[in-house]
Amino acid sequence: QSVLTQPPSASGTPGQRVTISCSGSSSNIGSNPVNWYQQFPGTAPKLLIYTNNQRPSGVPDRFSGSKSGTSASLAISGLQSEDEADYYCAAWDDSLNGQVFGGGTKLTVL
Amino acid sequence: EVQLLESGGGLVQPGGSLRLSCAASGFTFSNYAMNWVRQAPGKGLEWISGISGSGGSTYYADSVKGRFTISRDNSKNTLYLQMNSLRAEDTAVYHCAKGSGNYPYNRIDPWGQGTLVTVSS
Repeated sequence: QSVLTQPPSASGTPGQRVTISCSGSSSNIGSNPVNWYQQFPGTAPKLLIYTNNQRPSGVPDRFSGSKSGTSASLAISGLQSEDEADYYCAAWDDSLNGQVFGGGTKLTVL
Repeated sequence: EVQLLESGGGLVQPGGSLRLSCAASGFTFSNYAMNWVRQAPGKGLEWISGISGSGGSTYYADSVKGRFTISRDNSKNTLYLQMNSLRAEDTAVYHCAKGSGNYPYNRIDPWGQGTLVTVSS
């Protein structure tokens, strides 16, 4: 059972906009920045969004993040087949004194 | 370019020990927190430990507290994870990953490719 809650799966067709939610609590998302990671099978995770809504250089602006209260979301617009991957949210948890991750969302491009 | 190269994984019996290493390059190692994050086969990511840039502060997930010890040698640009009393549920790919500041409170980037630890008799 992950501390942060994500839907296990999401899907969309090419060109669509999809969102992935991440729900937490006051000790993690409610008081610390949220980061999102993208992982393709057999590879290391890669930072996709940091500090709620910032994109590292090289990440397309199709990817965006937002946070409100104890929840966050990742939006992908203009969905492409190469976006098919696993997506994880994460944040520092002040009560646990450690990083916590969501269980991950497998995105399928139909 | 930041590079993180893990080593030390392998097959170990339940109750055994293993020490992982992570050789870092491409940045001023002592200025940044470091983390270990694992991923069991077919499962999600689990942060297990972090250490401050100086090594003076360490952080652990409850699942490994008392069994695993994180440390670093800033003179060698190397991060370690000493794993004792290993259990079958510790079987995973272990990733070394750089923090964004002196403490492991923030984003983790980049990640090493990982080293596989298998706990089995």
